[in-house]
Amino acid sequence: GIQVEQSPPDLILQEGANSTLRCNFSDSVNNLQWFHQNPWGQLINLFYIPSGTKQNGRLSATTVATERYSLLYISSSQTTDSGVYFCAVAPGGSQGNLIFGKGTKLSVKP
Amino acid sequence: DTGVSQDPRHKITKRGQNVTFRCDPISEHNRLYWYRQTLGQGPEFLTYFQNEAQLEKSRLLSDRFSAERPKGSFSTLEIQRTEQGDSAMYLCASSLGDRGYTFGSGTRLTVV
Repeated sequence: GIQVEQSPPDLILQEGANSTLRCNFSDSVNNLQWFHQNPWGQLINLFYIPSGTKQNGRLSATTVATERYSLLYISSSQTTDSGVYFCAVAPGGSQGNLIFGKGTKLSVKP
Repeated sequence: DTGVSQDPRHKITKRGQNVTFRCDPISEHNRLYWYRQTLGQGPEFLTYFQNEAQLEKSRLLSDRFSAERPKGSFSTLEIQRTEQGDSAMYLCASSLGDRGYTFGSGTRLTVV
């Protein structure tokens, strides 16, 4: 099956710093989403981005489907950005089976 | 709209008992998904409905697991003869088509 690899696994930032999280996937996909799981366990959808670039406030994401990777950019990080960031993909031909990576655990220090 | 609701939030059960969880999706969403998450891991897909039809099931969904979505509205996930390995967070999500998923807060199951 398709493999989803996220890097780095852990990241510690000082408040105000910028960061880039990466998601590599091993096969073509028809769905790619980024999620933030906060310290209380709630999963929040950040982007639906099977290709192209999107921005939402301090967050932006780019997916290069032909090269099988996606990047999540966090600018001017805040302590509330702490948590785990997951990339999830659905292989071509699948409609419902989002496969999650292991996540990047982000800690933002004040 | 209050988002995706899951009930109960927590469930402690003895090994061998049956448990049932409920999920109420966002009303205009036609797709509903069940996932399971254990500590330190990403969510794992269990099953998916489009309206009332169950379209995909994971191999993780053993014979002891069953899910329904009558009339394409709320959904229930039942686990029969629970085992300690079933202890996990059970997450429900919904979406309109295959776009962004909205997750509920989950039901944490502890089997003792």
